[in-house]
Amino acid sequence: QITLKESGPTLVKPTQTLTLTCTFSGFTLSTTGVGVGWIRQPPGKALEWLALMFWNDDKRFSPSLKSRLTITKDTFKSQVVLTMTNVDPADTATYYCARRVGTTTPFDYWGQGTLVTVSS
Amino acid sequence: AIQMTQSPSSLSASVGDRVTITCRASQGIRNALAWYQQKPGKAPKLLIFAASILQSGVPSRFSGSGSGTDFTLTLSSLQPEDFATYYCLQDYSYPLTFGQGTKVEFK
Repeated sequence: QITLKESGPTLVKPTQTLTLTCTFSGFTLSTTGVGVGWIRQPPGKALEWLALMFWNDDKRFSPSLKSRLTITKDTFKSQVVLTMTNVDPADTATYYCARRVGTTTPFDYWGQGTLVTVSS
Repeated sequence: AIQMTQSPSSLSASVGDRVTITCRASQGIRNALAWYQQKPGKAPKLLIFAASILQSGVPSRFSGSGSGTDFTLTLSSLQPEDFATYYCLQDYSYPLTFGQGTKVEFK
């Protein structure tokens, strides 16, 4: 059974750094072709892709957020960590992590999401 | 970045109706398109990938078609559980981009 779960703070102050952890089970990030990505959704708005970490340590980022994002993996702990610096109220959103496999199957399994509010 | 334009942004339909949602890419993406269904407070669910391949477990009333820049998601006979918001996603090139969503509401 494949599961993913996001964890992190629910409230962050502007200019602070947000750290989110995706803990997954049922697959491994050492398998060729596997990746874990982050997607967010501001309240009432559309989905926005943020970043992707692959099995081979390749990383991809949204250009609009690249300067503020870091993504790392811990294969042994089955975790992917997303860090976003200098947060702003516009970063208030539900953050999801999701698995992708290969080059043709996009995000097939998703976490439940975690709502992060940026406010002073 | 490739822009994905969905239409309509919302629609009203009844149970049993045939529903069609379209997604247009700002440049050719071959068949690198997926469709997701999202219900309020829930994570998106993958319905179709590679433009027309039905994800395992998804009812056959869902179908996808298209290639290049124009894509379609069709629900052949709308069921009560299908009232939701639908998103397309292009994974042809980075940055990955979603459409703005189509909300399917009860008429």
